[in-house]
Amino acid sequence: ELKVEQNPLFLSMQEGKNYTIYCNYSTTSDRLYWYRQDPGKSLESLFVLLSNGAVKQEGRLMASLDTKARLSTLHITAAVHDLSATYFCAVDRNYGQNFVFGPGTRLSVLP
Amino acid sequence: DAGVIQSPRHEVTEMGQEVTLRCKPISGHDYLFWYRQTMMRGLELLIYFNNNVPIDDSGMPEDRFSAKMPNASFSTLKIQPSEPRDSAVYFCASSLEGAVEKLFFGSGTQLSVL
Repeated sequence: ELKVEQNPLFLSMQEGKNYTIYCNYSTTSDRLYWYRQDPGKSLESLFVLLSNGAVKQEGRLMASLDTKARLSTLHITAAVHDLSATYFCAVDRNYGQNFVFGPGTRLSVLP
Repeated sequence: DAGVIQSPRHEVTEMGQEVTLRCKPISGHDYLFWYRQTMMRGLELLIYFNNNVPIDDSGMPEDRFSAKMPNASFSTLKIQPSEPRDSAVYFCASSLEGAVEKLFFGSGTQLSVL
């Protein structure tokens, strides 16, 4: 059974600081996704990582994938308050369009 | 494109009543998913369809839950009878099989069963 873990589950950081969210998964997969959810809102796709060594960046967020370690990271650079949200990673199970989501990391960026 | 459309946005009902949630996927998408989100259990996949055919319903909690997709542009998730523990946000999502797959989520239905 595919399990997806994230840490930390809660993260409070000050504006301007850097931090990394980690996503581990238990079985082989070459496809990993990052989503953002604002309170009371739906999920928005951030990144799609499709191969080992893939790196994607948008603004202050950068995501990477190491399929050998079954690890993805979401790095936040010089955080701003607008980044406060819950971030989910998800892994595609058996290439069957069957996503398994991690528990989410609730990020609060404080002024 | 209007995106994935769900209705209603909010539903408040009493225990024992039937609840029907509706979803219109993005036109042309061939996969449709129903997820449930709670604080305790996070995001859980309930069922997904490919080309209107249910592929995996192993996440459906019990027989009180049923889902249908009569055509490519409409799906329903029904709970009968509803119970307070069914209270959650239910998301519908759709995707297109291709070089880069990702889920597009609807706005969700906030269900409260009293």
